Amino acid sequence: ETGVTQSPTHLIKTRGQQVTLRCSSQSGHNTVSWYQQALGQGPQFIFQYYREEENGRGNFPPRFSGLQFPNYSSELNVNALELDDSALYLCASSFRTGGWSPLHFGNGTRLTVT
Amino acid sequence: DAKTTQPPSMDCAEGRAANLPCNHSTISGNEYVYWYRQIHSQGPQYIIHGLKNNETNEMASLIITEDRKSSTLILPHATLRDTAVYYCIVLVQGGSEKLVFGKGTKLTVNP
Repeated sequence: ETGVTQSPTHLIKTRGQQVTLRCSSQSGHNTVSWYQQALGQGPQFIFQYYREEENGRGNFPPRFSGLQFPNYSSELNVNALELDDSALYLCASSFRTGGWSPLHFGNGTRLTVT
Repeated sequence: DAKTTQPPSMDCAEGRAANLPCNHSTISGNEYVYWYRQIHSQGPQYIIHGLKNNETNEMASLIITEDRKSSTLILPHATLRDTAVYYCIVLVQGGSEKLVFGKGTKLTVNP
């Protein structure tokens, strides 16, 4: 099975710019979540998408937005970048049924805002 | 905020068992204990989870105390590749699946 893949792996942007990060879910998964991980910290939940709708959001401002496509791939968009947005952005997919499946994470996109 | 407390770091000799503790004294009756780990430069990886019974899989064993206020993740024969940050998380299964990570325990396996 194909795992979660994220692109690009590294990115450098300037404060005030906009960025789009991409994620391909693991084959068969229908739910995608995004996390932000600052240096030395654990990942923080940004939001989750299920059936192309946002299904839960963490404590992040509206300039963080996302999309889930019919093939279950996803995008994370961040507008008006700030220096504190520099972090590792992780995408995780899972299969939502009546039961539970563990989150499978990609290796992330390292965003640097200068 | 994370609802778990873990030591910031631990060391273990290669080939020995690594026992990673986690306190979750405010855990609710319907919350499971999950363990993930994050090897340097990779995303977190699911290890194991449990509700109240001890669990074992090919990666590790999970021991949950009878009062469920603490648990221990056991790697029976640690290898150098087990060097990672280990996160203990409590979560209601079937909910939003929002994982709340703390800072975890940095386990270093020494040769």
